[in-house]
Amino acid sequence: ELKVEQNPLFLSMQEGKNYTIYCNYSTTSDRLYWYRQDPGKSLESLFVLLSNGAVKQEGRLMASLDTKARLSTLHITAAVHDLSATYFCAVGHMDSNYQLIWGAGTKLIIKP
Amino acid sequence: SAVISQKPSRDICQRGTSLTIQCQVDSQVTMMFWYRQQPGQSLTLIATANQGSEATYESGFVIDKFPISRPNLTFSTLTVSNMSPEDSSIYLCSVEGQGQPRPADTQYFGPGTRLTVL
Repeated sequence: ELKVEQNPLFLSMQEGKNYTIYCNYSTTSDRLYWYRQDPGKSLESLFVLLSNGAVKQEGRLMASLDTKARLSTLHITAAVHDLSATYFCAVGHMDSNYQLIWGAGTKLIIKP
Repeated sequence: SAVISQKPSRDICQRGTSLTIQCQVDSQVTMMFWYRQQPGQSLTLIATANQGSEATYESGFVIDKFPISRPNLTFSTLTVSNMSPEDSSIYLCSVEGQGQPRPADTQYFGPGTRLTVL
C-alpha cells in the first residue's frame, strides 16, 4: 500500500531563513507533485517531478526527487512572508495513471 | 490562464438534505476527479468521472451517497446525498492536464465548495 509522509506538519520560521520540507513515500512511484494551498483557497500546482534526480526551481522554492530513497524535498531559500501556506506533496500510484496519494500537508508560517 | 469553476462556492445545509456541486472547465478534458478535504486535513479522492461511463469510486465512497454525472467533456456534478455533519468538508473537482494551457501529468483544481452540514 502506497503511503506518503510529510514532515514537519507545522513549521514556523523567520523571514530570511532557509528550510526544507520532506516527503517520504513507501512504494515505487514514477511521479511526485508539490502543491500549495493558501487558507480558504484551492490548490496550486508548484512542481511535477518525473524522474530520479529531477530538480526544479521556481523563485525561492526548489524541489528534488530521489526515487531510490523514495524521498522528495521542497527547499525554501531566504523565506518571505508571502510563502506562508500549506504545502502538500502527492505521489502517483503505479497501478493508476491518475490516482494520487497525498501527504498530510505542511503548514508553513513565515513571520516578518 | 485556464479556468475551472465550481458552484456553489459554499453552502450551509440541513441534515438529511442533498446538495449538488457543479464543476465547469473551460476546455474539454477526458478525466475529472472529485476530492474531499476535511477541515485541516489532506485530500481524499472520492471518484473519477469519465465522460460516457460510470464514475469509478474509491474505497469508502459509494454511488448512492455521492452520485456523479458527467454529461460532456467540460462539466460534471457531484451530489452529496442525505447529508450529515460528518459530510462537512471542502469538495474539490480537478482535471488532468492535457497540454496547453495546462501541461500534462498534473492535476489542476477548482476553487472548491465549502460545505457545512448542521
